[in-house]
Amino acid sequence: KQEVTQIPAALSVPEGENLVLNCSFTDSAIYNLQWFRQDPGKGLTSLLLIQSSQREQTSGRLNASLDKSSGRSTLYIAASQPGDSATYLCAVRVNTDKLIFGTGTRLQVFP
Amino acid sequence: EAGVVQSPRYKIIEKKQPVAFWCNPISGHNTLYWYRQNLGQGPELLIRYENEEAVDDSQLPKDRFSAERLKGVDSTLKIQPAELGDSAVYLCASRLDYLDTQYFGPGTRLTVL
Repeated sequence: KQEVTQIPAALSVPEGENLVLNCSFTDSAIYNLQWFRQDPGKGLTSLLLIQSSQREQTSGRLNASLDKSSGRSTLYIAASQPGDSATYLCAVRVNTDKLIFGTGTRLQVFP
Repeated sequence: EAGVVQSPRYKIIEKKQPVAFWCNPISGHNTLYWYRQNLGQGPELLIRYENEEAVDDSQLPKDRFSAERLKGVDSTLKIQPAELGDSAVYLCASRLDYLDTQYFGPGTRLTVL
């Protein structure tokens, strides 16, 4: 059974810091991996999607890497801003069409 | 383009009462999902529709939960009767095609007293 774990559960950093969020999964047979952002009272917004054949994806200040063999992904946020404060969820897509989510990392960036 | 629409946004009911959630996916999206998100957890899939057909409902507690997607567009998720443990956020998502990401609605926060 696929299990997704995210570390740390919560993170508080001052504005401007570069930071790394971690995601690990137990079964390397994945179709792709996604990072989502969730703001309080709102739905999920897809940030980056990495196909199983890819190693990384970049969007602006965000960079996500994928190491399928070791079952790990990292989300790197450069020069963090207060607007980055949210919960970040990692999800792997398995078999036909199912997303398995981690429990998330709650990020707070203070001025 | 409008996103995924869900209503109501919040619902408070007493246990044993029925409740229904409504979802309108993005226009043209044939695949629709219902997820449940417990506090401090990631979303868990309840049911997936391809057009009007439920193709994965293995996680749906069928003794009290039901769902329908008439005409392959809007969908309704129902709980009858509700239990205290059903308190959660119910998220709807839709997708255009197999290679696309899922687009999520804002969710319905259910509180069962």
